[in-house]
Amino acid sequence: EVQLVESGGGLVQPGGSLRLSCAAYGFTFSTHSMNWVRQAPGKGLEWVSYITGGSSTVYYADSVKGRFTISRDNAKNSLYLHMNSLRAEDTAVYYCASQGGAPAALDYWGQGTLVTVSS
Amino acid sequence: EIVLTQSPGTLSLSPGERATLSCRASQSVSSSFLAWYQQKPGQAPRLLIFGASRRATGIPDRFSGSGSGTDFTLTISRLEPEDFAVYYCQQYGSSPRYTFGQGTKLEIK
Repeated sequence: EVQLVESGGGLVQPGGSLRLSCAAYGFTFSTHSMNWVRQAPGKGLEWVSYITGGSSTVYYADSVKGRFTISRDNAKNSLYLHMNSLRAEDTAVYYCASQGGAPAALDYWGQGTLVTVSS
Repeated sequence: EIVLTQSPGTLSLSPGERATLSCRASQSVSSSFLAWYQQKPGQAPRLLIFGASRRATGIPDRFSGSGSGTDFTLTISRLEPEDFAVYYCQQYGSSPRYTFGQGTKLEIK
């Protein structure tokens, strides 16, 4: 069974840093591009970042470019999001999502981890 | 950047009725790159449709997708109680990689 499990969320002060992790189970992680998608409280979905299976290509939303870094460790079946210079508007549930079986779509999602940026 | 606009914002229907949700793109989108998701409160989104009309694994056949160019539609032929949720359309591009519509809330009338 495919499973994605996020961790690392919490309360952080503005300007602070946080690292999110996503552990993958039940599929060949190294062959799937992975993404982070966030959802602010009561709001819609916002794509954050993308990384190919071999880490050769990464993309970021303009709202996080220069502050967030996506990475992965295929040996550990894990995806990461390093978040620096956090702002109140980064407060959201962060989901990791895979792109594999369904072309150009996110076929599996984790349960999400909440990041709250507040003093 | 392509903007996706979903309508209506809220749709009030009864179980057994037919639901038609719209997604309009600000410029032409390849049908191969248009998907739909369902999200229930407190849950992660679930992929329903990809490639504009292809059902994802395990999705009931009462869900169907159609459209091309700038106009796409998600249809639920006969609403079941578990179908009341928020629905998002999504397009896949280069930068940003994914863009979502603002969502349509399907509520029980």
